[in-house]
Amino acid sequence: GAVVSQHPSWVICKSGTSVKIECRSLDFQATTMFWYRQFPKQSLMLMATSNEGSKATYEQGVEKDKFLINHASLTLSTLTVTSAHPEDSSFYICSARDPRTGIYEQYFGPGTRLTVT
Amino acid sequence: TQLLEQSPQFLSIQEGENLTVYCNSSSVFSSLQWYRQEPGEGPVLLVTVVTGGEVKKLKRLTFQFGDARKDSSLHITAAQPGDTGLYLCAGAIQAGTALIFGKGTTLSVSS
Repeated sequence: GAVVSQHPSWVICKSGTSVKIECRSLDFQATTMFWYRQFPKQSLMLMATSNEGSKATYEQGVEKDKFLINHASLTLSTLTVTSAHPEDSSFYICSARDPRTGIYEQYFGPGTRLTVT
Repeated sequence: TQLLEQSPQFLSIQEGENLTVYCNSSSVFSSLQWYRQEPGEGPVLLVTVVTGGEVKKLKRLTFQFGDARKDSSLHITAAQPGDTGLYLCAGAIQAGTALIFGKGTTLSVSS
């Protein structure tokens, strides 16, 4: 099956610093990847849609200058949280569609736990 | 306003019992997916339903997509402690677009 990886799996950073999270499709090429965040005991909230070679599309209320998304290749999308603050602490999850399995399914990475102190 | 209403939010049952989780919307979806998520991990896809009225079975799990493609259900027969986890329904209004998630159902099965 389709495998999506994320790195790092967890990260602790100080307030005001930036942190980059990588999302990779390991055995398929993904023209589109999605970034979600999840707070404890809550569901996933879509942050943005990342398209290879073009600008990401952000959901309403998500600051594009704070959450920088780059999708430079068909297997890698990155999310950079700039000038992180404690309220940015969350579980960040990416997903990707595997074109080999059709247009419906999305496969999720294992998530990245970000803690901002 | 939550586009996908999932219920119940919490469910605590004994081993061997049956249960049903519901996912409802006023919108029509091109597809609905069910995921299971363990703490600290990403969601794992269980099933995708795309045709109105479709029923899919995965061992003791039965998934149904409503005729109008606005709702779905997950039925677990003879629940086991290993079924414990967060179950999420998610749908795409248009094929290939981002998924909209329900709030999830936290299932606890005790032996």
